[in-house]
Amino acid sequence: DAGVIQSPRHEVTEMGQEVTLRCKPISGHNSLFWYRQTMMRGLELLIYFNNNVPIDDSGMPEDRFSAKMPNASFSTLKIQPSEPRDSAVYFCASSGEEVSNEQFFGPGTRLTVL
Amino acid sequence: AQSVTQLDSQVPVFEEAPVELRCNYSSSVSVYLFWYVQYPNQGLQLLLKYLSGSTLVESINGFEAEFNKSQTSFHLRKPSVHISDTAEYFCAVSISGTYKYIFGTGTRLKVLA
Repeated sequence: DAGVIQSPRHEVTEMGQEVTLRCKPISGHNSLFWYRQTMMRGLELLIYFNNNVPIDDSGMPEDRFSAKMPNASFSTLKIQPSEPRDSAVYFCASSGEEVSNEQFFGPGTRLTVL
Repeated sequence: AQSVTQLDSQVPVFEEAPVELRCNYSSSVSVYLFWYVQYPNQGLQLLLKYLSGSTLVESINGFEAEFNKSQTSFHLRKPSVHISDTAEYFCAVSISGTYKYIFGTGTRLKVLA
């Protein structure tokens, strides 16, 4: 298995622009997570999907952030408009239904908003 | 609510020396415990986990962690580190059977030659 795939790996954009991050979870996994990692705040869970349905979006910072999962093999995280404080590494992770709840992380997207 | 504390933000250690990375958690219910490792410019990878049973769990690359319920700890140890162990290590807890991880702030292990 290729693991969790994220694109792009790096994104540099200007303040005010729309940014879309993409994730392909591991085939057969039914849970998907978006995290944000910064030096100041560490790893934060932004949103959790189960069977393509958003279950917990309490970590989404504000209305500028939105996430979708149109099918079991694809999810997007969109920021519109982007701001410099959104600069971070964004990780996608997926998990199956095992009791262990192990989450498998993608390589991340490093976002820089100028 | 659950919480995870990693008191050491950075741990420098010489190659072949032993190391312990500390993790304490707080929870009023049964939890699963995890250690993840993040190498530079990569995502997190599971190192080891405790679900139930034996309180000592081991990874394939020589790390081990012991679940201590009375001290609510899950410290990570390795008797002899290598340069390649240089990475950031995250402790995480989840309520047994649920999806949500609470991550610690991470400990940056730097192995010196």
